[in-house]
Amino acid sequence: QVQLVESGGGVVQPGRSLRLSCAASGFTLSDHAMHWVRQAPGKGLEWVAIVSFDGGEEHYADFVKDRFTVSRDNSNNTLYLQMNSLRTDDTAVYYCARNFIPEDPRSSFDTWGQGTLVTVSS
Amino acid sequence: EIVMTQSPATLSVSPGERATLSCRASQSISSFLAWYQQRPGQAPRLLIYGASTRAAGIPARFSGSGSGTDFTLTISSLQSDDFAVYYCQQYDDWPPYTFGQGTKLEIK
Repeated sequence: QVQLVESGGGVVQPGRSLRLSCAASGFTLSDHAMHWVRQAPGKGLEWVAIVSFDGGEEHYADFVKDRFTVSRDNSNNTLYLQMNSLRTDDTAVYYCARNFIPEDPRSSFDTWGQGTLVTVSS
Repeated sequence: EIVMTQSPATLSVSPGERATLSCRASQSISSFLAWYQQRPGQAPRLLIYGASTRAAGIPARFSGSGSGTDFTLTISSLQSDDFAVYYCQQYDDWPPYTFGQGTKLEIK
C-alpha cells in the first residue's frame, strides 16, 4: 500500500544541522510533488516546503528560507529535508506528505508519514 | 498569505449527535480547501478535498460544503473515533499552503 516513512529526527543543539529522510513505497515517487509539514508540540500544522516531481522546483515557508533545503532521489524513492542553522523554535514533529494530484501543486495532501521528532535544545 | 480561521476552538458534542465545524479564509479560495483529521499521536488524515469531495475510504457521515471564504465540515452521528482535532487547509494561493489553527472535537 502507499506508505511514507520518515527518519533522521533526534536531539540537536541550536545552530547545528540535521537531515531528515522520507522513504516512499507503494507508488511511483517521481509522479508526485512532495511536501514537508511540521507540528510543534501541542500546536497546529505548519507547511514547510514543497519539491516538484522532478526536483526542479522548490518553495519554502519564510521561516525556513535560506536554512532548509528539500531534495529528492526518485531512483531511491526517497525525499530529504536538510535543516541547517537550527533554532529552538524548529522543535517539532516533521511529516512528509504526498501531493494528491501528481502534476498539480494546487492540491491537497493525501498521504502522510508517521512523522519524526526534531528537538533543538542546548 | 491567506489566513485560515477555524471556529470554535473546541466543540463538545455527544456521541450520535451532529457536529458542525467552520473555517473561514481571509480571501476567496474558490473551492481549493481540504479538511484533515488528526487523532492523538497520529499523523493527519485527508478527509475532504475540493471543499466537498470525500477522500478515498472516508465514511459518508463526513461532508464538506462552502466556497469562496466560508466552509463547513459536518459530521453526522458522531462515533467514538471521530473525537479528534480537525484542520482546514487552503491550497489555492501558495506558497505558503496554510492551515487553520484546528478545532478539537471532544466528547460531551
